[in-house]
Amino acid sequence: DQQVKQNSPSLSVQEGRISILNCDYTNSMFDYFLWYKKYPAEGPTFLISISSIKDKNEDGRFTVFLNKSAKHLSLHIVPSQPGDSAVYFCAASISYTGTASKLTFGTGTRLQVTL
Amino acid sequence: DAGVIQSPRHEVTEMGQEVTLRCKPISGHDYLFWYRQTMMRGLELLIYFNNNVPIDDSGMPEDRFSAKMPNASFSTLKIQPSEPRDSAVYFCASSRNPGTGFWGYTFGSGTRLTVV
Repeated sequence: DQQVKQNSPSLSVQEGRISILNCDYTNSMFDYFLWYKKYPAEGPTFLISISSIKDKNEDGRFTVFLNKSAKHLSLHIVPSQPGDSAVYFCAASISYTGTASKLTFGTGTRLQVTL
Repeated sequence: DAGVIQSPRHEVTEMGQEVTLRCKPISGHDYLFWYRQTMMRGLELLIYFNNNVPIDDSGMPEDRFSAKMPNASFSTLKIQPSEPRDSAVYFCASSRNPGTGFWGYTFGSGTRLTVV
């Protein structure tokens, strides 16, 4: 049972345009969401996160939007750059103050930014 | 800071053999996680430890898999006997106790396991 779903296995975007990566979740208890980026032969690295008390979080070219009623989040990259080509994982957790919590990951979306 | 260190980077073994994957977490991190990445299921949590104690091993696929954390700086994931369907990339990650602040995992570079 996949609680975090990334239905697009791949996405191709031209350099300079916007990349939109989508993620859906089924567990309404999730209250903290993260995006990780993964290059080949490397481990995933943290990109951006959002708490369920917010609907938007921005960090430079990266913005994450959360729609709790739809159980949907998206990552926007503007403008896209060739170095953004990687696999992007969406992750979710049920957080408890003062403790770490296990992350549930999606299957990933491979983004290719073309020249 | 050397980050999370995993060894070996690649492992090729024959079906039925024992495989041991190793992980050194970041010093000072209280939590250690073992994940497995496959095309079909993405990143799956196998087990995680807090202060060297296993907290949740519900993701361990079957009794052939076992994990230990004998001290704060070392953990192993063992598969015995290994099967071709165990072929995947195995990641170790560590995290500090966040208090009320942000937290997130730091992943190692992974071990690519191929069972033939």
